[in-house]
Amino acid sequence: DQQVKQNSPSLSVQEGRISILNCDYTNSMFDYFLWYKKYPAEGPTFLISISSIKDKNEDGRFTVFLNKSAKHLSLHIVPSQPGDSAVYFCAAIYDYKLSFGAGTTVTVRA
Amino acid sequence: NAGVTQTPKFQVLKTGQSMTLQCAQDMNHEYMSWYRQDPGMGLRLIHYSVGAGITDQGEVPNGYNVSRSTTEDFPLRLLSAAPSQTSVYFCASRGGVAQPQHFGDGTRLSIL
Repeated sequence: DQQVKQNSPSLSVQEGRISILNCDYTNSMFDYFLWYKKYPAEGPTFLISISSIKDKNEDGRFTVFLNKSAKHLSLHIVPSQPGDSAVYFCAAIYDYKLSFGAGTTVTVRA
Repeated sequence: NAGVTQTPKFQVLKTGQSMTLQCAQDMNHEYMSWYRQDPGMGLRLIHYSVGAGITDQGEVPNGYNVSRSTTEDFPLRLLSAAPSQTSVYFCASRGGVAQPQHFGDGTRLSIL
């Protein structure tokens, strides 16, 4: 049973607009959340993270929001650029282990 | 600056064969993990290690063995390959529990 869920398998957005990726989780013991980006034929690369004691973390164009009561986090990318076209994975940590969502494929249109 | 290196990049096996997927990291990370990626399922944890000599099972460990004799290396062994093990395998390492993982570029494995 997946503890981290990304219910949107794909997202298409126009260049310059905002991309919003969503992630839900079921395990209230998760204490750290991360987003990874993956290009074809490469391993995932770390994008941004947030501790469970915070509700927002920002790094340049990327902002992650955490709503613990709803067990929900989201990643905002503003503005979206063509190089942002990739698969994005949400992940959560508890007890040394990382649990991943199924991923959301983002396509940025020119 | 190699990071996490996985070999081979591609492999085709016959059912019943065994093989070892190699993983090495040069960042002196204590934590290492193996994942498999299947369509629609994200990355699932196979086995992980929190230091040399210490390994534990993830969510899909059956059919796989690991060992961690050094900090740098964390090989994954398929004991008797089955078609259900056709997947892309990723090795990862990180320096601490809450530190981001560094991934290798993956091994694409096909079992016929």
